[in-house]
Amino acid sequence: DSGVTQTPKHLITATGQRVTLRCSPRSGDLSVYWYQQSLDQGLQFLIQYYNGEERAKGNILERFSAQQFPDLHSELNLSSLELGDSALYFCARSQGRNQPQHFGDGTRLSIL
Amino acid sequence: DQQVKQNSPSLSVQEGRISILNCDYTNSMFDYFLWYKKYPAEGPTFLISISSIKDKNEDGRFTVFLNKSAKHLSLHIVPSQPGDSAVYFCAASKMDSNYQLIWGAGTKLIIKP
Repeated sequence: DSGVTQTPKHLITATGQRVTLRCSPRSGDLSVYWYQQSLDQGLQFLIQYYNGEERAKGNILERFSAQQFPDLHSELNLSSLELGDSALYFCARSQGRNQPQHFGDGTRLSIL
Repeated sequence: DQQVKQNSPSLSVQEGRISILNCDYTNSMFDYFLWYKKYPAEGPTFLISISSIKDKNEDGRFTVFLNKSAKHLSLHIVPSQPGDSAVYFCAASKMDSNYQLIWGAGTKLIIKP
């Protein structure tokens, strides 16, 4: 058990739409990370939140945004969806710096 | 710019033998390295990590070796078991990037009975 719950597991939608992916880390873990994994690729870091504040940004498109709430759950919002946004989106938690990240099972997003 | 490279897309090893997975990196500022295992339809699972101040870290059947001069790390699994069949990712981070992980593309390990 990684201590990270991601919902929904699967999401199918159309181009131009907007979706919200949810991540609930284990209680007490202040850092949340979002990653995108396209087909047969490595994971691409999108964004990190620490205790409600954005801490680091990676290759995140302007159409994407995220936030972390006071209860430490996080949401990743994807808008104006394109076919190329079809991917697995993972959330990870960490206890702190130089600590391993632990991943949820991801949300598979399919854009038709 | 691929800073972390896993040059073998796949590797096949006999059950009971040693599996050696390799990873190269280009950024000498990386100071923390991790290996993850991933099964289909699941998130990556943390296996083992190593700090740049060490050259070896061992945890049960898993050992990670770090060669800083060659910018190379490897994961040894011995003995290999059928349940080890998965995709293995190496990842690296550096302190001034707030420990964002940079990932390799993964190596698919197949353990043959």
